[in-house]
Amino acid sequence: QVQLQESGPGLVKPSQTLSLTCTVSGASISSGSYYWTWIRQSAAKGLEWIGRIYIRGGTNYNPSLKSRVTILVDTSKNQFSLNLTSVTAADTAVYFCARGITALGTNGDFDYWGQGTLVTVSS
Amino acid sequence: DIQMTQSPTSLSTSVGDRVTITCRASQSIRNYLNWYQQKPGKAPKLLIFAASNLQSGVPLRFSGSGSGTDFTLTITSLQPEDFATYYCQQSYMTPITFGPGTTVEIK
Repeated sequence: QVQLQESGPGLVKPSQTLSLTCTVSGASISSGSYYWTWIRQSAAKGLEWIGRIYIRGGTNYNPSLKSRVTILVDTSKNQFSLNLTSVTAADTAVYFCARGITALGTNGDFDYWGQGTLVTVSS
Repeated sequence: DIQMTQSPTSLSTSVGDRVTITCRASQSIRNYLNWYQQKPGKAPKLLIFAASNLQSGVPLRFSGSGSGTDFTLTITSLQPEDFATYYCQQSYMTPITFGPGTTVEIK
């Protein structure tokens, strides 16, 4: 059974860095068959794709966030992480990690998701 | 970016009804279109991938169709557990984008 679990602070101050980790169980993050992805959801923007890491091909980020986002992977811990710098209140959202299937040429069909974690940006 | 729109925004319906939700992409996405169901406080759940393929474990009353720019999610004989918000998502190119959602409510 594949499971993903987000972890990290629920409150971040403006201008600081938001850091989250996604721990994967039941699947190897080293598999080349998946995109390991971060998605967030807010009332203002709905579901927003942040970016992904692909073991065989590096990373891709949403251009709207690209200058502030870094996604890294730690294969020894079967985890991947999100860093979002210079946060503002607009970054307040529920953050999800998800597994995206790469088969058939798709850029990501998200078959497993974490439960989501609410991150609030406030002083 | 590819813009995704959905209609209706919400609908009120009854158990046993047939429900149709439409999704439109701002450019052709071939068949790279997925549908998700989300319930309050939960993550989205993949229902349909590649426009018309039922994800494992999803009931047969869910079906999808379409290609290019216009797509449809149909739920035949709505069940109590189907009241939720439904999202379409294009996986044709990055940045991946989602529709704004359609909320199916109990009449």
